[in-house]
Amino acid sequence: QVQLVQSGADVKKPGSSVKVSCQASGGTFGSHAINWVRQAPGQGLEWMARIIPILGIPKYSQKFQGRVTLTADTSTNTAYMDLSSLTSEDTAVYYCARGPARGEWFDPWGQGTLVTVSS
Amino acid sequence: QSALTQPASVSGSPGQSITISCTGTSSDVGNYNYVSWYQQHPGKAPKLMLYDVSDRPSGVSDRFSGSKSGNTASLTISGLQAEDEADYYCCSYTTSSTLVFGGGTKLTVL
Repeated sequence: QVQLVQSGADVKKPGSSVKVSCQASGGTFGSHAINWVRQAPGQGLEWMARIIPILGIPKYSQKFQGRVTLTADTSTNTAYMDLSSLTSEDTAVYYCARGPARGEWFDPWGQGTLVTVSS
Repeated sequence: QSALTQPASVSGSPGQSITISCTGTSSDVGNYNYVSWYQQHPGKAPKLMLYDVSDRPSGVSDRFSGSKSGNTASLTISGLQAEDEADYYCCSYTTSSTLVFGGGTKLTVL
């Protein structure tokens, strides 16, 4: 049973970038997609982007296009989400979640990574 | 892409049934049978409850069921239990090959 293990909480200054990792434990990414979803404090879920690691092809939400970069290392079964030009509105828990190649659903999810943007 | 529309809250007593609606457009819910539902308890990661409108992953109780008509999908929970109290989110694939979530519904078991 694959589990997704994410990197730890991080605090960043406005204008900087953050890189969150997501490693598959107990299995591989296979031909699945890795999606990134965020949740601001007290708010709902927001889909950001997905990548198919075996192909290295990302798809970004229009909202985050140009500010988010997804990469993946199939040798270590690790996916990365890089978000730049951070503002306080980017303070959120960031989740990775595996799904079908087209990304129609998400299972399993990582434990989440809290990113706090504060001066 | 606008978020799908869900009621902010629903409630029911133990043993009862409740239904949560999820309304989108012809660009998402109405165009594909790729609606999924997630349960989220406070401080926890979301959990997949239904996918492809009405399919249940292994391990999910058959008290959870789903349907879709036009641009609106629905999640029904029968035989409500205290442990069902959580936030529920719908999600749909879109014609832009992206995904969009609903705003979430807080379920209270009275």
